[in-house]
Amino acid sequence: DAKTTQPNSMESNEEEPVHLPCNHSTISGTDYIHWYRQLPSQGPEYVIHGLTSNVNNRMASLAIAEDRKSSTLILHRATLRDAAVYYCILTGGSQGNLIFGKGTKLSVKP
Amino acid sequence: SAVISQKPSRDICQRGTSLTIQCQVDSQVTMMFWYRQQPGQSLTLIATANQGSEATYESGFVIDKFPISRPNLTFSTLTVSNMSPEDSSIYLCSVEGPLEDADTQYFGPGTRLTVL
Repeated sequence: DAKTTQPNSMESNEEEPVHLPCNHSTISGTDYIHWYRQLPSQGPEYVIHGLTSNVNNRMASLAIAEDRKSSTLILHRATLRDAAVYYCILTGGSQGNLIFGKGTKLSVKP
Repeated sequence: SAVISQKPSRDICQRGTSLTIQCQVDSQVTMMFWYRQQPGQSLTLIATANQGSEATYESGFVIDKFPISRPNLTFSTLTVSNMSPEDSSIYLCSVEGPLEDADTQYFGPGTRLTVL
């Protein structure tokens, strides 16, 4: 599985948008981009995923660069409950091992 | 999404003993996964458990240490055998998403294990 690079930590203010970047320069044509988050003392939670086009769901938006070498998870209005570690993961399009990196620890200030 | 429960939620055990962790899903799934999260670290896959076949273990994990059962499509157990303090971790199970969402996984709340 291709590797992803994320900042170790980011800070945001409550009610403001948050853009969480992820670099995946060695992504292959069949790799999906997945985002999970892990709130304190909980298991990881699926957030969103995409292949080529930008994606929106009730939790977030995923913006994928045209060359697919990077992507950005967008939380439109951060809340205190969004404070978590966010993981960007590439998968080969079939069920299997999710390789978790260190992720980005997001802090949200009131 | 699937609802997953794990038992126990946490335990404190003595070295040399074994602990069996249960994972229950509210729907039938083919693939279940067991992960370990050591203190301050990210998640690492231990094994993949398909119903009706032997579990497939990742490099660094062996069946003698982490035996897994998968008796039906909604249940699995992971045993941590002959425990040492290095086994102190959070153990999580996950399941595949539904067919239209098969590329995702849904995780249980985890079992926090402390070995003294």
